Amino acid sequence: AQRVTQPEKLLSVFKGAPVELKCNYSYSGSPELFWYVQYSRQRLQLLLRHISRESIKGFTADLNKGETSFHLKKPFAQEEDSAMYYCALSGSSYKLIFGSGTRLLVRP
Amino acid sequence: GAGVSQSPSNKVTEKGKDVELRCDPISGHTALYWYRQSLGQGLEFLIYFQGNSAPDKSGLPSDRFSAERTGGSVSTLTIQRTQQEDSAVYLCASSSEAPRANEKLFFGSGTQLSVL
Repeated sequence: AQRVTQPEKLLSVFKGAPVELKCNYSYSGSPELFWYVQYSRQRLQLLLRHISRESIKGFTADLNKGETSFHLKKPFAQEEDSAMYYCALSGSSYKLIFGSGTRLLVRP
Repeated sequence: GAGVSQSPSNKVTEKGKDVELRCDPISGHTALYWYRQSLGQGLEFLIYFQGNSAPDKSGLPSDRFSAERTGGSVSTLTIQRTQQEDSAVYLCASSSEAPRANEKLFFGSGTQLSVL
C-alpha cells in the first residue's frame, strides 16, 4: 500500500534559520515524489518534484530510497515561506497520495 | 477558463440531505481527481478519472459518495444523506495526460461543505 507520513503538524522557525520538513513514504516499487504548497488564501500548487532535481524558491528535496524519505529543505527561511506543505507520492497507478501536511510558520 | 473551476464555493446543508459538487477541469486535461481536505487529516484521496478508463474509486469513504465525469470533462461529486463528519473542503484537480498524468496537478479553490 502507498502511504505518506509527515510527522510534524506545525514547524515554527525564525527568519533566516534553516528549515527541514520531513516526509517518509511507504511503497514497494519505484515512487515518484512531489512537494505541494498552499499559501494563505491561494490554491494548492506544485512546488517541486524529485524527478526534476530542481530548486524552487530556494527549496530542495532529495529522495533517499534507503530511508524512504523525501525531506524538503531550505537553508535560510523567509517569512513568505509560511504556508501549508504537503508531500505526495505516486506509484504505478498515477494516483497521487498526499501526507497530512505540515504548517510552516516563519517568524520575523 | 484559465484554471480548474469548482462550484459552489460554499455549501451549507442539513444532515440527511444530498449535495452535488461540481468541477470544471482545465480544457484538454484528461485526468481528474477529487480530494477531501480536513483539519488534521490532510488531503484524502477520493476518486480519480483518466480519460475513458474506469475510474479509481478506492478512496470513496462510503457508498453514500459517488462521482461521475460526463464527456470526459465536467465532474460531479455527489454525497447522499450527508453526515456531520462529511464537513470538509472538497478539492478537485486536473492534469494533462502526457507524459504522465500526475506530473503536475492543477487544483481548484475547493468547495467548503458544512453539514449542520
